[in-house]
Amino acid sequence: DIQMTQSPSTLSASVGDRVTITCRASQSISSWLAWYQQKPGKAPKLLIYKASSLESGVPSRFSGSGSGTEFTLTISSLQPDDFANYYCQQYNSFWTFGQGTKVEIK
Amino acid sequence: QVQLVESGGGVVQPGRSLTLSCAASAFTFSTYSMHWVRQAPGKGLEWVAVISYDGINKYYADSVKGRFTISRDNSKNTLYLQMNSLTAEDTAVYYCARTNGYKNRFDYWGQGTLVTVSS
Repeated sequence: DIQMTQSPSTLSASVGDRVTITCRASQSISSWLAWYQQKPGKAPKLLIYKASSLESGVPSRFSGSGSGTEFTLTISSLQPDDFANYYCQQYNSFWTFGQGTKVEIK
Repeated sequence: QVQLVESGGGVVQPGRSLTLSCAASAFTFSTYSMHWVRQAPGKGLEWVAVISYDGINKYYADSVKGRFTISRDNSKNTLYLQMNSLTAEDTAVYYCARTNGYKNRFDYWGQGTLVTVSS
C-alpha cells in the first residue's frame, strides 16, 4: 500500500502570507496526485489534480508542483476563505489520502 | 449541475447492518466509477470502496473487506453501500464521489451521511 505523509499537521498563518504544504509518498506515484480543501461540516473540494493542474473555478493563488514522491501545494497569498483543512491524495495505485493539514489563523 | 446525494445514515447497534444510498443526477452515471470515502469524527479521509462504471469490478479497503459490499443500479442512477457487522470503528461520515475511470481524481462529492455505531 502507498502511504502519504503531509507536513505540517497544523500551519498558523496570516492573511496575505505565502503558504506551502508538503506531501510525501512512500513510493513513486508519478504525477497522480490531487489536493483537496475541506471546511468543517462540508465535503472535500478538489483544488489540484495530476500534481499541478488547477481544477476549473479554483482561484489561481492555488498551485501544485512535484512528481515521483515529493509534492507541494502553495497558496500564494492566503485569503480569509482559505482557512481550512487540506488533504493530498494519491491515485496511482488505489487511493490514499494524507492525514491532512489544518491552516489556521495566526 | 452534478449532484450526489447520500442517504441512509443513522444510529445502529454494534454487529448490525445498514445500507447507504447515493443518488446521482446531471451526469451520465453509467460512465463513471463510483467510490465511498469515510471520515471518522475529527479524523482524516479514508477511501472505502470503488465500483466500476458497469458494476463488474469492485475493490475494498482492507478495513472493510468481507463486511461491506458496494453496488450500483445504473437504471436508477444510484450507488449503494451495504455495511454488515458494524463496529464503533465504522462510525464516520460516509461520502460518495465519482471518478472518470480509476486513475483519476474525485471531482465531485456528495454532502455525506453520518453513521454512528453505538449501543
